[in-house]
Amino acid sequence: DVKVTQSSRYLVKRTGEKVFLECVQDMDHENMFWYRQDPGLGLRLIYFSYDVKMKEKGDIPEGYSVSREKKERFSLILESASTNQTSMYLCASSLTGGQEETQYFGPGTRLLVL
Amino acid sequence: AQKVTQAQTEISVVEKEDVTLDCVYETRDTTYYLFWYKQPPSGELVFLIRRNSFDEQNEISGRYSWNFQKSTSSFNFTITASQVVDSAVYFCALSEAPAWDKLSFGAGTTVTVRA
Repeated sequence: DVKVTQSSRYLVKRTGEKVFLECVQDMDHENMFWYRQDPGLGLRLIYFSYDVKMKEKGDIPEGYSVSREKKERFSLILESASTNQTSMYLCASSLTGGQEETQYFGPGTRLLVL
Repeated sequence: AQKVTQAQTEISVVEKEDVTLDCVYETRDTTYYLFWYKQPPSGELVFLIRRNSFDEQNEISGRYSWNFQKSTSSFNFTITASQVVDSAVYFCALSEAPAWDKLSFGAGTTVTVRA
């Protein structure tokens, strides 16, 4: 089974702090994704990566950056956390890009920015 | 504009009732994929089904069934004889060319099954 893990289930940070959310997948997947989930809005794509050291902006990249130094790990960085970044963050991975691929998700990190 | 609309925000049923979740999508492509995911209280999205636009056959998997109708741009999901374990948020999603990896999700429908 595909396993996608996220470093924290719950996180509380202060406004202005730099925040790192870590995601690791153990199935040698090429692609990794970061989403945020908000009530009434579903999931929205923040960033994704097709390969090590590669990244692509999703629909809502503002205020975020990412890092992928190793194939299995994809980090989401909030350079200066703000209260409007309080949300549920979900990481996903897929084997390769393409029509037939399915994304597999981690358990999510609930981030509260005070 | 929202590409995937799940008009039902919350549905509450009693165990053993059937429940149908609506999903309406919008695309100009002839080739696209539709997905359903389940998010139980634990938080992790669980993949349920992927359907391509050329396959309009209905699908049944145990108590789950899906009705894909291109004429109405709908991909509805029915849980038959619901159980408490079906309580979750259900998301419908769309994937289009060329960015197949960029899933467009609906807002989700929260299903509560009461014993």
